[in-house]
Amino acid sequence: DQQVKQNSPSLSVQEGRISILNCDYTNSMFDYFLWYKKYPAEGPTFLISISSIKDKNEDGRFTVFLNKSAKHLSLHIVPSQPGDSAVYFCAASEGGGTASKLTFGTGTRLQVTL
Amino acid sequence: DTGVSQDPRHKITKRGQNVTFRCDPISEHNRLYWYRQTLGQGPEFLTYFQNEAQLEKSRLLSDRFSAERPKGSFSTLEIQRTEQGDSAMYLCASSSWGRTQETQYFGPGTRLLVL
Repeated sequence: DQQVKQNSPSLSVQEGRISILNCDYTNSMFDYFLWYKKYPAEGPTFLISISSIKDKNEDGRFTVFLNKSAKHLSLHIVPSQPGDSAVYFCAASEGGGTASKLTFGTGTRLQVTL
Repeated sequence: DTGVSQDPRHKITKRGQNVTFRCDPISEHNRLYWYRQTLGQGPEFLTYFQNEAQLEKSRLLSDRFSAERPKGSFSTLEIQRTEQGDSAMYLCASSSWGRTQETQYFGPGTRLLVL
């Protein structure tokens, strides 16, 4: 039972354009959502998070939007840079914020082309 | 702050052998987590500790898996009688829980291959 889903396994975007990565979830008890970035041979690196009481959180080039009624969140990267090329994982937690156990999606591989 | 470290980075073993992995968390982080990641999947939660207490174990964690954090600092994950299905990346993460709750910081992982 995949509680967090990332339906696009890959995405290719030109440098300077917007990258939009999507994530859907089924567990209505999730109250914290996170995005992690992963380069090959490294562990996931935290990018940005959002609490379920908010619908938007912004950090520099990264913005996460949460639509609770649709059980959907998205990560926007503007402008996209070649160094953003990596696998992006959406994750969610139930109680305990970002220090609680995480349920991850299967990831979306982003490639930013020149 | 040297980050989360894991040892070894790679392990090749034969089916039926026992293996042990070590994780050193960020100092003063009181929570430590183990996840497993297989090809094409996201990390799956296995277990976590707060200080030396193991607070939760996933249904995925069979009796062949055991984790310890004896002094509330480093942790070990042991797999007994390894099977080919145990081949995966084993990730460790740490965070703090208390007056503030910090994000989980991940180590580089230990890649296990069971032949």
